[in-house]
Amino acid sequence: EAGVTQFPSHSVIEKGQTVTLRCDPISGHDNLYWYRRVMGKEIKFLLHFVKESKQDESGMPNNRFLAERTGGTYSTLKVQPAELEDSGVYFCASSPASQGNIQYFGAGTRLSVL
Amino acid sequence: QKEVEQNSGPLSVPEGAIASLNCTYSDRGSQSFFWYRQYSGKSPELIMFIYSNGDKEDGRFTAQLNKASQYVSLLIRDSQPSDSATYLCAVNTGGFKTIFGAGTRLFVKA
Repeated sequence: EAGVTQFPSHSVIEKGQTVTLRCDPISGHDNLYWYRRVMGKEIKFLLHFVKESKQDESGMPNNRFLAERTGGTYSTLKVQPAELEDSGVYFCASSPASQGNIQYFGAGTRLSVL
Repeated sequence: QKEVEQNSGPLSVPEGAIASLNCTYSDRGSQSFFWYRQYSGKSPELIMFIYSNGDKEDGRFTAQLNKASQYVSLLIRDSQPSDSATYLCAVNTGGFKTIFGAGTRLFVKA
């Protein structure tokens, strides 16, 4: 069974540009989460999808961040326009409907905004 | 005060010893508690979860929870060099939003 996959593994962009991160959850997992870890800090929750619906987006830092999960399968996280403080590692996780707390993480996308 | 606090380490133990990792949390309503292991550049991997006060054992790992003291710990028996990693304590206060600590780096010396 394939795990949570994220693409790209690393992205380097300039301030003001747009970047889109993709997450493919484990097949059949209804719950999908985005997290972010900035340098030296803890992993912070961004938002949670149940299928295609946003269940909790309380962690989204501002309106430059847009997450979608059309069709309830893969998800994208777009940052537009990117700022220097957006640099960090963006993790995606998924969990089945029956065990929502048991989250399986992807390897993350390292975003560097220059 | 951070919501989930861990000593950043590094914690260094000799091979074969018991490694003890500790974590405190601020929200008394927290319901679920997790330990993740993360190797450098890799994804966090769930190794233990505990919901009730007391101990939970799985192989060489034991998670301990004391809700009155708002304290959760992870013991690793017979530590191996392959256990060297960052250990993340995580807490869920209801729903599926998970709060992470900054992690403790563990080094197991051969």
